[in-house]
Amino acid sequence: ETGVTQTPRHLVMGMTNKKSLKCEQHLGHNAMYWYKQSAKKPLELMFVYSLEERVENNSVPSRFSPECPNSSHLFLHLHTLQPEDSALYLCASSHTQQGSQYFGAGTRLSVL
Amino acid sequence: SQELEQSPQSLIVQEGKNLTINCTSSKTLYGLYWYKQKYGEGLIFLMMLQKGGEEKSHEKITAKLDEKKQQSSLHITASQPSHAGIYLCGAVASSSNTGKLIFGQGTTLQVKP
Repeated sequence: ETGVTQTPRHLVMGMTNKKSLKCEQHLGHNAMYWYKQSAKKPLELMFVYSLEERVENNSVPSRFSPECPNSSHLFLHLHTLQPEDSALYLCASSHTQQGSQYFGAGTRLSVL
Repeated sequence: SQELEQSPQSLIVQEGKNLTINCTSSKTLYGLYWYKQKYGEGLIFLMMLQKGGEEKSHEKITAKLDEKKQQSSLHITASQPSHAGIYLCGAVASSSNTGKLIFGQGTTLQVKP
């Protein structure tokens, strides 16, 4: 247990569906991150939040919409995804943006 | 943009043998993380190196940072089946360290009993 919990662990959705991924950290951290891990590609940073403010948007398509209502929770809202969006989505948190990042177990997303 | 190259891409060793994984950056390293991942699961933090020449150890795993060579190495002594997994290096992308990490493609390690 890393103190970062992601739900659901697995998700299958159609291209017209709307779903959300949830991340919760119990570490008292102030920064949270979303990463995407596709097969055969390095882990890619998607978004960075610090003190509930988005500080990094790594050229992510608008069909991915992050939300950080407080420093313990981070959501990734998904709509009209494409099959190539199928991947493992990982959440991480750190004490500050400069601190070591601790990862959740990920959500395995399949888009049909 | 910065890229990290890990070598080897995969490795099979006999239990008890030592091994080394390298991570080479195309640009200046401002900090370097090592993580371990079981297939399809999250990343487990191993250690973080910040200064050139820095060396850290955790149990039988040692990591070093060579700033001049823009490279880090991860060394496992007397490998065990529990060391099997995917090892990822992640570099701090800028001197201001905004939390943005660039990752290598990973090295898959198998340890044969």
